[in-house]
Amino acid sequence: GAVVSQHPSWVICKSGTSVKIECRSLDFQATTMFWYRQFPKQSLMLMATSNEGSKATYEQGVEKDKFLINHASLTLSTLTVTSAHPEDSSFYICSASGLAGSVEQYFGPGTRLTVT
Amino acid sequence: RKEVEQDPGPFNVPEGATVAFNCTYSNSASQSFFWYRQDCRKEPKLLMSVYSSGNEDGRFTAQLNRASQYISLLIRDSKLSDSATYLCVVILPMDTGRRALTFGSGTRLQVQP
Repeated sequence: GAVVSQHPSWVICKSGTSVKIECRSLDFQATTMFWYRQFPKQSLMLMATSNEGSKATYEQGVEKDKFLINHASLTLSTLTVTSAHPEDSSFYICSASGLAGSVEQYFGPGTRLTVT
Repeated sequence: RKEVEQDPGPFNVPEGATVAFNCTYSNSASQSFFWYRQDCRKEPKLLMSVYSSGNEDGRFTAQLNRASQYISLLIRDSKLSDSATYLCVVILPMDTGRRALTFGSGTRLQVQP
């Protein structure tokens, strides 16, 4: 149990276009989903926290107008990178929590974004 | 100062060796601690939670020293499959309600035949 999927697993896009990444909890309801970003040889950095039905909470330094997060249901959160630039190329990983009594987060397999 | 600090390594050890990683955290009020494992280009996977009393899972032993604010992971009888990056993870006090994780930069382990 506790499986989280992400789609797409990798994407290449041109500079200036927008890319949407989906994160789904497949067998549990995720009250909270987290979006992380990881640059090569660096640690995961939290970008934002999203709760179903409410606006996401962004970490300092993350532009909310550039990284649009929608958590429309208890099983789906989306991250849209708008007007992507080469410096947005990174590994984007979502995680979900919500299992009763558990602090564990379950990570999706990640999405590798390359902006050319 | 980083919230969670780790020696980046790499640690190159032969099969069968015992290896230990340490991690320090800056916020003394932190409450939850974990070790995650991340393979290259993959998502992190929970290895084990870390409890004040220390805990063991097979070849892996995790310990928490609250007074010194460090966490350790000991791997005995290293296997080739243990090669990965080990991430020290903390839930900071302000994040306890929302369960956001703060990651260390990871320690890379390479087990050699």
